[in-house]
Amino acid sequence: DGGITQSPKYLFRKEGQNVTLSCEQNLNHDAMYWYRQDPGQGLRLIYYSQIVNDFQKGDIAEGYSVSREKKESFPLTVTSAQKNPTAFYLCASSTNRGSYNEQFFGPGTRLTVL
Amino acid sequence: RKEVEQDPGPFNVPEGATVAFNCTYSNSASQSFFWYRQDCRKEPKLLMSVYSSGNEDGRFTAQLNRASQYISLLIRDSKLSDSATYLCVVILNTDKLIFGTGTRLQVFP
Repeated sequence: DGGITQSPKYLFRKEGQNVTLSCEQNLNHDAMYWYRQDPGQGLRLIYYSQIVNDFQKGDIAEGYSVSREKKESFPLTVTSAQKNPTAFYLCASSTNRGSYNEQFFGPGTRLTVL
Repeated sequence: RKEVEQDPGPFNVPEGATVAFNCTYSNSASQSFFWYRQDCRKEPKLLMSVYSSGNEDGRFTAQLNRASQYISLLIRDSKLSDSATYLCVVILNTDKLIFGTGTRLQVFP
């Protein structure tokens, strides 16, 4: 089945530790995105990538890093510099043909920093 | 002013009711508009696009008013399964989606 997977579903980490969230898609999509969702707020864009080996900062990139070495994979690292990392993290992908294409979301990872 | 604003609700309605949500956007250059549905603790999924002429998909009707800069979603004959959060999404360009905070709907028997 084609889709986007994120792992793990729940993640607990101690304050000050870096943590990497996985996102994999087998939809052959060029573009991939990372969002963060907090209670009472809309999804906010962290980073996005429209092609392998290239990515751009979104609205709230500080304290995060990404890589895009393969088309299928777009891991997100939450670093110790992120002041409030506890949130629901959503990865999405879409085709990239110059006009809007539906973004398909993964099931998300709930990160709790203790 | 937020770029996209929605009434957070919750809207509590009985089965069979008609309910409408509005969403306002601040940037008149916004190009495309969508409604997403998000179930509790799940990922958002596209519900429908919103066209200038209005569009209907079964019990759901979406409309766009560019002059007043708002979009609406009407749900007729509400079902229990319609209970969810409805996210308004506005696109400024092909790279950037702006999400509203969502409107929560609870349909009760």
